[in-house]
Amino acid sequence: KAGVTQTPRYLIKTRGQQVTLSCSPISGHRSVSWYQQTPGQGLQFLFEYFSETQRNKGNFPGRFSGRQFSNSRSEMNVSTLELGDSALYLCASSLQGGPLTDTQYFGPGTRLTVL
Amino acid sequence: SQKIEQNSEALNIQEGKTATLTCNYTNYSPAYLQWYRQDPGRGPVFLLLIRENEKEKRKERLKVTFDTTLKQSLFHITASQPADSATYLCALDRRYSSASKIIFGSGTRLSIRP
Repeated sequence: KAGVTQTPRYLIKTRGQQVTLSCSPISGHRSVSWYQQTPGQGLQFLFEYFSETQRNKGNFPGRFSGRQFSNSRSEMNVSTLELGDSALYLCASSLQGGPLTDTQYFGPGTRLTVL
Repeated sequence: SQKIEQNSEALNIQEGKTATLTCNYTNYSPAYLQWYRQDPGRGPVFLLLIRENEKEKRKERLKVTFDTTLKQSLFHITASQPADSATYLCALDRRYSSASKIIFGSGTRLSIRP
């Protein structure tokens, strides 16, 4: 079974631009979560989508948004990019999103650099 | 606010010894505490999950303990091998509570020397 895939793997943007990252979960997985990882702040939870609805949300500004499609694929959008948004963005999928079955499988990440 | 801390930024031990990593949390008891392994340039890989009403969980050479009184989880790798070298993350999972979030520790970089 194919793992979680994320595109693109690397991205360079300039301040003020917006960016859209894509995540394809493992086949059959309905929950997709997004994370930001930086050397200073570590791995931080952005949000989780399940059945096209945002179910959980971390403490990030409204510039960070996401959506999930009917095939469970998910996109994350960051508007008005700031230098501090440079990070590794990770997507994780799980089967149902329930507490006991919620083994998360992470993708390889998208490395975003904001200049 | 909820905090989670992994005491050691880095840990170096001899092959064959037991590696013990510590994860401490403040405030609320997590419903679930998870441990992940992350290799450079890759996403974290789930290892073990332990519930707040469980004391211990094992999987092959891995063991996790959970002490809600001390607000601490210990992660042990027995008979450690150089291939176990990686960064290990603990995560406090309260997504299915009113807190609605999962919080990761900053990680412990484990190096096993031959």
